[in-house]
Amino acid sequence: DTEVTQTPKHLVMGMTNKKSLKCEQHMGHRAMYWYKQKAKKPPELMFVYSYEKLSINESVPSRFSPECPNSSLLNLHLHALQPEDSALYLCASSQDGGDTEAFFGQGTRLTVV
Amino acid sequence: QKEVEQNSGPLSVPEGAIASLNCTYSDRGSQSFFWYRQYSGKSPELIMFIYSNGDKEDGRFTAQLNKASQYVSLLIRDSQPSDSATYLCAVNIAIGDDKIIFGKGTRLHILP
Repeated sequence: DTEVTQTPKHLVMGMTNKKSLKCEQHMGHRAMYWYKQKAKKPPELMFVYSYEKLSINESVPSRFSPECPNSSLLNLHLHALQPEDSALYLCASSQDGGDTEAFFGQGTRLTVV
Repeated sequence: QKEVEQNSGPLSVPEGAIASLNCTYSDRGSQSFFWYRQYSGKSPELIMFIYSNGDKEDGRFTAQLNKASQYVSLLIRDSQPSDSATYLCAVNIAIGDDKIIFGKGTRLHILP
């Protein structure tokens, strides 16, 4: 089983809203990732958690706030987003970080209005 | 600046032929290499990974790695219309580093 589950699949939010994206994996992977992908662009790394601790933050604006409540769950809290933040947000997990293959969830299509 | 370079395409290949996709990377410390397939509007799907120099085969797919030349490729034999997608090359920065970066992807179009 290589399943990573993301919810919701689609999200529309206003610029003053607060919302959260959720990601879950039950493969015992130690590393979990958030990527952002704009149309016709590659995934762009945002955050990496290793053993539930934030290990990489790619200088992401503070309106994006990651959280890893336990080894299976990863959240991305959104607040005061801009229309240009509209994108596909992808969660991934990997058994041993960058040394092993990462598996992606189906993504959340976010639209900021 | 760590970089992963791919030809954006589109690469058009007749059905049944071999599609050859190429990727170069800038960091000699990179040790893990991945190929993902992404259909429009969908998330990336892992199709191959390779860690050692040489060839690795899985069904119709062969990944080739040459660390001296900093070059990794993906061959798709007996190409099918369902192989039409964007193929993303991904690389880790260094052994023990969790950062995985992606090339811009190559759009592959299989001609029926």
